[in-house]
Amino acid sequence: AQRVTQPEKLLSVFKGAPVELKCNYSYSGSPELFWYVQYSRQRLQLLLRHISRESIKGFTADLNKGETSFHLKKPFAQEEDSAMYYCALYSNYQLIWGAGTKLIIKP
Amino acid sequence: DGGITQSPKYLFRKEGQNVTLSCEQNLNHDAMYWYRQDPGQGLRLIYYSQIVNDFQKGDIAEGYSVSREKKESFPLTVTSAQKNPTAFYLCASRGAGGRTGELFFGEGSRLTVL
Repeated sequence: AQRVTQPEKLLSVFKGAPVELKCNYSYSGSPELFWYVQYSRQRLQLLLRHISRESIKGFTADLNKGETSFHLKKPFAQEEDSAMYYCALYSNYQLIWGAGTKLIIKP
Repeated sequence: DGGITQSPKYLFRKEGQNVTLSCEQNLNHDAMYWYRQDPGQGLRLIYYSQIVNDFQKGDIAEGYSVSREKKESFPLTVTSAQKNPTAFYLCASRGAGGRTGELFFGEGSRLTVL
């Protein structure tokens, strides 16, 4: 079965500390994975996709097929990173979503 | 201003009443989606449409209905058959081509059943 798991509902770190939001997936085939972010009072939006291998707002995510993971990382957290983060897997014209992780950056 | 517009932002309904949520996009996207967002459950797919006059049920379609008579519009009706309709509803659209998994979202509609 295709599934996306985000094991942490809530993650709280201090400003300047490293951040890692975990995402594991279950998929037969070559996955297409995404991270979406929802800031307070803003609409849900794409943060980054694994195909692009890009860094957005200091965040990166590497696809590890051996561990079936797509963790989101940032070396130094900033207060404006506080938001809800969703990992998603594209399959059959739709996205399969993780339950989301709420990230809180403490000053 | 291009994008997806959902209305109303807030809606109150009495039990037993149907209510329709509007979703309009001017991005010229073929695919449109309706999700329900509940705390701790992520986004759950209600219905989606890949093309005008065609739509498919998602994971939680019971108690909901949709139509896709125009490319720009994908309204969602929450019927009285939906047992727990109080929720935040998100509409999204997706363009064709290489960026297959990139969805564009509306601001959402919060429905409260009194």
